[in-house]
Amino acid sequence: QKEVEQDPGPLSVPEGAIVSLNCTYSNSAFQYFMWYRQYSRKGPELLMYTYSSGNKEDGRFTAQVDKSSKYISLFIRDSQPSDSATYLCAMSPLLNTGGFKTIFGAGTRLFVKA
Amino acid sequence: DGGITQSPKYLFRKEGQNVTLSCEQNLNHDAMYWYRQDPGQGLRLIYYSQIVNDFQKGDIAEGYSVSREKKESFPLTVTSAQKNPTAFYLCACGGPYGYTFGSGTRLTVV
Repeated sequence: QKEVEQDPGPLSVPEGAIVSLNCTYSNSAFQYFMWYRQYSRKGPELLMYTYSSGNKEDGRFTAQVDKSSKYISLFIRDSQPSDSATYLCAMSPLLNTGGFKTIFGAGTRLFVKA
Repeated sequence: DGGITQSPKYLFRKEGQNVTLSCEQNLNHDAMYWYRQDPGQGLRLIYYSQIVNDFQKGDIAEGYSVSREKKESFPLTVTSAQKNPTAFYLCACGGPYGYTFGSGTRLTVV
């Protein structure tokens, strides 16, 4: 079993739809949760960062973390064609003497149709 | 502008040849990372460094080598021992709260 599971998609939605992207994980030591957006042939860019449980909102994007279920989500409201990209979840444990290692999901490809 | 720069953007390697990928950052981060990305497999960690003159192997270090002589620089060498080097290579810097990635180097074996 992978530490982080993410449905690769592709997910295709019409413009204006609400998009829900999800990841599950198995390591209860994860405390930092991130979402990245990656356009084709580019490096990923950090969209959202959440520490521990709860919700965080930034414009059209909302990140949710449910540590009891080991489940994280990214919601995109009023989706636009420019949101078409691959979305990667990522998570890290608390710092320890051995440092840390961020684990990435495989990414979900999203297509928003005009 | 602060950022992280990878070069070259495209690189072609002949069989048996070593090649070096450049990564430079001016964000003043101590920690730097190298990832390999293959279709459908997400990001796999090759090497990481949390301080100058120190680095650790990641999950797929075989056939790769790195150095960290300066805080700003973390070059990756793909050696001839790496049997399947064709991939998209990404360098990053940052902490557990998020990374800044470079724009990547696409390496192809010819």
